[in-house]
Amino acid sequence: NAGVTQTPKFQVLKTGQSMTLQCAQDMNHNSMYWYRQDPGMGLRLIYYSASEGTTDKGEVPNGYNVSRLNKREFSLRLESAAPSQTSVYFCASSNRAVGTEAFFGQGTRLTVV
Amino acid sequence: GQSLEQPSEVTAVEGAIVQINCTYQTSGFYGLSWYQQHDGGAPTFLSYNALDGLEETGRFSSFLSRSDSYGYLLLQELQMKDSASYFCAVRFRYNQGGKLIFGQGTELSVKP
Repeated sequence: NAGVTQTPKFQVLKTGQSMTLQCAQDMNHNSMYWYRQDPGMGLRLIYYSASEGTTDKGEVPNGYNVSRLNKREFSLRLESAAPSQTSVYFCASSNRAVGTEAFFGQGTRLTVV
Repeated sequence: GQSLEQPSEVTAVEGAIVQINCTYQTSGFYGLSWYQQHDGGAPTFLSYNALDGLEETGRFSSFLSRSDSYGYLLLQELQMKDSASYFCAVRFRYNQGGKLIFGQGTELSVKP
């Protein structure tokens, strides 16, 4: 049982390049999330998806787009990477019911130079 | 707006008890959760308070007071392995978007 799988684990981009971070979960969860984590800033919500076919902006959506491809997969795209997007990115998933725990992937460490 | 505030750092000695506070300025959520994150790792779920009062899970307890917009995580019999970052979080109902937001985290250092 893999849980939440993120790819890649590490990535270096040049300013202006684009890339897609992949996330897949095998727990049949409805809700999926993308966060970024910077030192001293905690986990900030970028986008989330309450169910297949729906996505909503979180706290820091600028510069990002997402796709909820199906119930399992939720991808995050950087169209034109900037140094300010250097961060650790976490994908998470949870059941719809309030109070259930969220499960996180192992993170993608992205550096934009 | 919606925000959760925690102290940035807490230091305690092995075997002691430590309390990590979380105050929030948001509404429409249902319960307060706590997550632990070791350096370089993924956050993992610790506890959830749906109602006011104390919830106990082994050495960890969590408390919520909605009237005071306040909660805390209590760690007892501290061990070196408890050195980590701790985050409070709130989750909104599905019909209100269902988003899950976190506080900035408290870095706990346990000293021998």
